[in-house]
Amino acid sequence: KAGVTQTPRYLIKTRGQQVTLSCSPISGHRSVSWYQQTPGQGLQFLFEYFSETQRNKGNFPGRFSGRQFSNSRSEMNVSTLELGDSALYLCASSPRPITTNEKLFFGSGTQLSVL
Amino acid sequence: DAKTTQPPSMDCAEGRAANLPCNHSTISGNEYVYWYRQIHSQGPQYIIHGLKNNETNEMASLIITEDRKSSTLILPHATLRDTAVYYCIVRENFNKFYFGSGTKLNVKP
Repeated sequence: KAGVTQTPRYLIKTRGQQVTLSCSPISGHRSVSWYQQTPGQGLQFLFEYFSETQRNKGNFPGRFSGRQFSNSRSEMNVSTLELGDSALYLCASSPRPITTNEKLFFGSGTQLSVL
Repeated sequence: DAKTTQPPSMDCAEGRAANLPCNHSTISGNEYVYWYRQIHSQGPQYIIHGLKNNETNEMASLIITEDRKSSTLILPHATLRDTAVYYCIVRENFNKFYFGSGTKLNVKP
């Protein structure tokens, strides 16, 4: 069974631009969650989608948005990029909505550099 | 919020057991303890999780104290490929993970 696939693997953008990242979950998984990882802040939750609906959102500005398609693939968009948005963006999938007893399967991430 | 405290780094000799401690003194009764690890430039990998009983799988064992305020992840025979950052996680709530700064485990030959 294929794992979680994130594309692209690396991305370089300049300030003010926008970017779209893609995540394909494991087949049959309907929950996709997104995380930002930086050396200073560690790994922080962005949002979770299940059955095309956003279930939860972390403490990030509205420039960060996402969506999920009927095939459970998800995209994350960041508009008006800032230098501080440089990070590894990870997505994770699970069969059901994230609960206290649900394992997450992570992709390898998209490394975004904002110049 | 139940958050975790881990030592920033640990060393372990190849072939020996690696014991990684985690403090989660504010954990609530229905929060599970999860362990993930992250090898450089890859996404976190699930290792094991538990609620109050000790757990074992093909990768590791998880020992949770009776008061649930701390736990230990045990890698019984560490190899060089086990060198990674290990995260001890408790659920912030039903929907979110809180990842701390983790423990960098260095397995040495």
